[in-house]
Amino acid sequence: AQSVTQLDSQVPVFEEAPVELRCNYSSSVSVYLFWYVQYPNQGLQLLLKYLSGSTLVKGINGFEAEFNKSQTSFHLRKPSVHISDTAEYFCAVSRGFQKLVFGTGTRLLVSP
Amino acid sequence: EAGVTQFPSHSVIEKGQTVTLRCDPISGHDNLYWYRRVMGKEIKFLLHFVKESKQDESGMPNNRFLAERTGGTYSTLKVQPAELEDSGVYFCASSQAQHTNTQYFGPGTRLTVL
Repeated sequence: AQSVTQLDSQVPVFEEAPVELRCNYSSSVSVYLFWYVQYPNQGLQLLLKYLSGSTLVKGINGFEAEFNKSQTSFHLRKPSVHISDTAEYFCAVSRGFQKLVFGTGTRLLVSP
Repeated sequence: EAGVTQFPSHSVIEKGQTVTLRCDPISGHDNLYWYRRVMGKEIKFLLHFVKESKQDESGMPNNRFLAERTGGTYSTLKVQPAELEDSGVYFCASSQAQHTNTQYFGPGTRLTVL
């Protein structure tokens, strides 16, 4: 069985500062890794995904994530955040076409 | 291309009543998934359709929940009778039949059971 841990429930940061949202996963087999974002009053939007190949994955809105197999991590980063990045971010894993297993989410709060 | 749509966006019902949620996947997507987020907790899987067949329904909480996908297009999720603990946001997602699994989510239905 897979599991995902997002240790930070909330991350406050000032505008234009860098941010890292942490995600660790547990799985005995190879998995696909995803980051989704939920803006206020909206549905889930795919930010980026790691399927195979390069361990550095670039997504939308300037976000990127790095897959680290030895540390079983898939941390999300952005070098300079904007107010509009305020949202809840979810890390998830899946095997093939099986269900997504989500972490508990991290609320990113960007203030001026 | 239209995304995944869900109806209604909000539903407020009383305990014991019946509610039916609908999901229209992206056209051509054979895989359809239902998830639920209870307030303050993680998003949890409910079930997975491949076309009209239930591939995995291991996440369905109990027999008060019934999901259907007649004809392999849209899906409905019925809760009968609804209980207070059924309150939450119900998400639907769909994906194509490829070797990868990128699921595209709908906006969700917020269900409140009073």
